[in-house]
Amino acid sequence: DSGVTQTPKHLITATGQRVTLRCSPRSGDLSVYWYQQSLDQGLQFLIQYYNGEERAKGNILERFSAQQFPDLHSELNLSSLELGDSALYFCASSVHRDRASEAFFGQGTRLTVV
Amino acid sequence: GNSVTQMEGPVTLSEEAFLTINCTYTATGYPSLFWYVQYPGEGLQLLLKATKADDKGSNKGFEATYRKETTSFHLEKGSVQVSDSAVYFCALLSGTYKYIFGTGTRLKVLA
Repeated sequence: DSGVTQTPKHLITATGQRVTLRCSPRSGDLSVYWYQQSLDQGLQFLIQYYNGEERAKGNILERFSAQQFPDLHSELNLSSLELGDSALYFCASSVHRDRASEAFFGQGTRLTVV
Repeated sequence: GNSVTQMEGPVTLSEEAFLTINCTYTATGYPSLFWYVQYPGEGLQLLLKATKADDKGSNKGFEATYRKETTSFHLEKGSVQVSDSAVYFCALLSGTYKYIFGTGTRLKVLA
């Protein structure tokens, strides 16, 4: 158990809909990352938050948004969903104490858009 | 920008064979390097890491050495087991505290 909790584990929704994925980081971790893993694809970095503020942005579509709340949990909002958005969405957290700090991953949310 | 390149998979080996998965990186400054493993249906788990040149990370029989001169961090294991079948990701952590991952290499070990 990494200590990072993602909900829900599975989500099936229709095209055009909007969903929210939730992530609770490990206790004490200030940084939260979101990644998308499509079938047979690597991990695409979406966005990073540090202590409530956006720190870095990757290949995140305009239809997607995220935020980190004062209690440090984070939510990834996906709207106007398309079939191609079907993927595993991972959240990771890190304490970022120094350059050796590793990221701890949640189990992921499998999103299926039908 | 920073990037990580891994050898394409899948890699199929017999049990007890020697494993090498190549990883090279491009980065400014002095990144930290990581290997993560993803078992079927699970999230990524840290396998090992190295934070400076010539450091060797090791765990569960796996090893990787941070080679600055060749910008490489190849993963090796002397004798693989069926239970090592998974997807392996090489990653770097840059000064901007962003983890950059390679595309992953699927390993299949046959009994």
